[in-house]
Amino acid sequence: SQQGEEDPQALSIQEGENATMNCSYKTSINNLQWYRQNSGRGLVHLILIRSNEREKHSGRLRVTLDTSKKSSSLLITASRAADTASYFCATDLKTSYDKVIFGPGTSLSVIP
Amino acid sequence: DTGVSQDPRHKITKRGQNVTFRCDPISEHNRLYWYRQTLGQGPEFLTYFQNEAQLEKSRLLSDRFSAERPKGSFSTLEIQRTEQGDSAMYLCASSPNSDTGELFFGEGSRLTVL
Repeated sequence: SQQGEEDPQALSIQEGENATMNCSYKTSINNLQWYRQNSGRGLVHLILIRSNEREKHSGRLRVTLDTSKKSSSLLITASRAADTASYFCATDLKTSYDKVIFGPGTSLSVIP
Repeated sequence: DTGVSQDPRHKITKRGQNVTFRCDPISEHNRLYWYRQTLGQGPEFLTYFQNEAQLEKSRLLSDRFSAERPKGSFSTLEIQRTEQGDSAMYLCASSPNSDTGELFFGEGSRLTVL
């Protein structure tokens, strides 16, 4: 079974609005990452947050991590049509050789 | 070297045939991962190498699947006696031997089994 679960499965917003995606996971992690995938392409790394960090920023991205709730959120501010893609959280398990497990993803559509 | 390279990008085969995919990681990266992704789903972990050593193999990988990474450089993923359920995108990723954790993905090899 997959370690992470994203919520919502699909999200549609207007350009300029903020988009928030959530990720929950089951077991202890070393770090949590977010990736983006455009249709039919490979995944691109967006941001990594370590288990001892609570919040991290990169440009228009803001990631939070709550290890007590085993959850993370990805906020994209001032969204653009080019942000339309699938977004996946991925966890690096403490128990297994840096094995990286992905969730099922959130499909984001930004309407111009 | 500009990134992770996968070949072929697309493969159409008949059920029962064998197929092999190749992945060339970023040259200084020690870790190499294979994932399988079906439409609308996240990548599913298949197997992972640290240099030439295969450290973990998913239960998703039946005995028809085998992966190698000779000399710790490129890797191959072979599927024998393909079935229609093997149709998917096969993704390769590499990572440096550090604690950054970031995976660098190739564009994937799409397999269609008729």
